[in-house]
Amino acid sequence: EPEVTQTPSHQVTQMGQEVILRCVPISNHLYFYWYRQILGQKVEFLVSFYNNEISEKSEIFDDQFSVERPDGSNFTLKIRSTKLEDSAMYFCASSITGTGGNIQYFGAGTRLSVL
Amino acid sequence: KQEVTQIPAALSVPEGENLVLNCSFTDSAIYNLQWFRQDPGKGLTSLLLIQSSQREQTSGRLNASLDKSSGRSTLYIAASQPGDSATYLCAVDSGNTPLVFGKGTRLSVIA
Repeated sequence: EPEVTQTPSHQVTQMGQEVILRCVPISNHLYFYWYRQILGQKVEFLVSFYNNEISEKSEIFDDQFSVERPDGSNFTLKIRSTKLEDSAMYFCASSITGTGGNIQYFGAGTRLSVL
Repeated sequence: KQEVTQIPAALSVPEGENLVLNCSFTDSAIYNLQWFRQDPGKGLTSLLLIQSSQREQTSGRLNASLDKSSGRSTLYIAASQPGDSATYLCAVDSGNTPLVFGKGTRLSVIA
């Protein structure tokens, strides 16, 4: 069964460093998403991406975040200057369509630890 | 703005017991509702998805129901096992792009 793949599974970084989280969505999917879950908190939406541009973003997704689809298979989330409060589990998801009723398939997540 | 609430926040039951987890949402205009399982420090495993036109979905010992008009869903787990211990999340698709998640119910099944 096709699945969304995320790498690395765990990323440790120093505060102020840049990190790139990587995702390989399901191959025929057109919509891509990033969510995050701070320990003990709800899973929160960060950003959605379609046709090589951001289609929606939350208030969490500020200027330190960016997303990119550098090639035909990868979808990345970059955090430019990490802060302690960026420590969280980051989930990538993809779906065939972006309209209501679409099913989003989630990756296993990347745990980001900012020291 | 859609809000999703899950009650109880934590639940501990003896092995073999049947149990019900609750999820409520504020805006009944949804497309579907999904139940996930999350083991500690791990990713999201999709358990069941109920479309807005459906009343329930079953998978093995799991049964999820949906009452859209009252803004409620329940996840019923029959004959619970220690391996069912995890956090169970519900997430609502309101037709906007992002899913809205509840905070989850942390289930412990005691052998």
